[in-house]
Amino acid sequence: QVQLQESGPGLVKPSQTLSLTCTVSGGSISSGDYSWSWIRQPPGKGLEWIGYIYGSGSTYYNPSLNSRVTISDDTSKNQFSLKLSSVTAADTAVYYCSGFGRYIDYWGQGTLVTVSS
Amino acid sequence: DIQMTQSPSSLSASVGDRVTITCRASQGIRNDLGWYQQKPGKAPKRLIYAASNLQGGVPSRFSGSGSGTEFTLTISSLQPEDFATYYCLQHNSYPWTFGQGTKVEIK
Repeated sequence: QVQLQESGPGLVKPSQTLSLTCTVSGGSISSGDYSWSWIRQPPGKGLEWIGYIYGSGSTYYNPSLNSRVTISDDTSKNQFSLKLSSVTAADTAVYYCSGFGRYIDYWGQGTLVTVSS
Repeated sequence: DIQMTQSPSSLSASVGDRVTITCRASQGIRNDLGWYQQKPGKAPKRLIYAASNLQGGVPSRFSGSGSGTEFTLTISSLQPEDFATYYCLQHNSYPWTFGQGTKVEIK
């Protein structure tokens, strides 16, 4: 059973960079079976796909965030990470990591990141 | 971007009711669509993949249909544990996009 766990600061100051890591257990992120994604959900609102990293390190980002987002992986630690630069209050959200496969997907429990001074 | 228009945004229903939620894509997405259930404070859980395939462990009262631009999630007999918010997700084209959500509430 694949399990995912997000980690990182719960509070980030405006204009700084939000950094989160997702640790995957029970499966290898380099296997090619899944697209390793980040999704976020502002309080009381819907879901927004941020982007993913896949296989040999190919990445795809939501153009609405493209210039501020970087997703990378560390296969030696079986982790993948999100960096979102120049954050504002609008980036306050629960951030989820997910392993998306056509036949099954897995999600972390989510972590709330608040942008505030 | 492909827009996913989900309707209704909310509905009130009773236990035992048949419930139908629709997602309409702004352009054809074949069957590259999943349906998710989210309960408060929890991560979304996929119920249906590839538009009409039931995820393992999901009760058979859930079903999905459609292809191209029109998709439907049906709950044949609503149970107390089904009160939640439901989302569709298209993964045919980048960026992947979710519907706005449908909140299913107790009548």
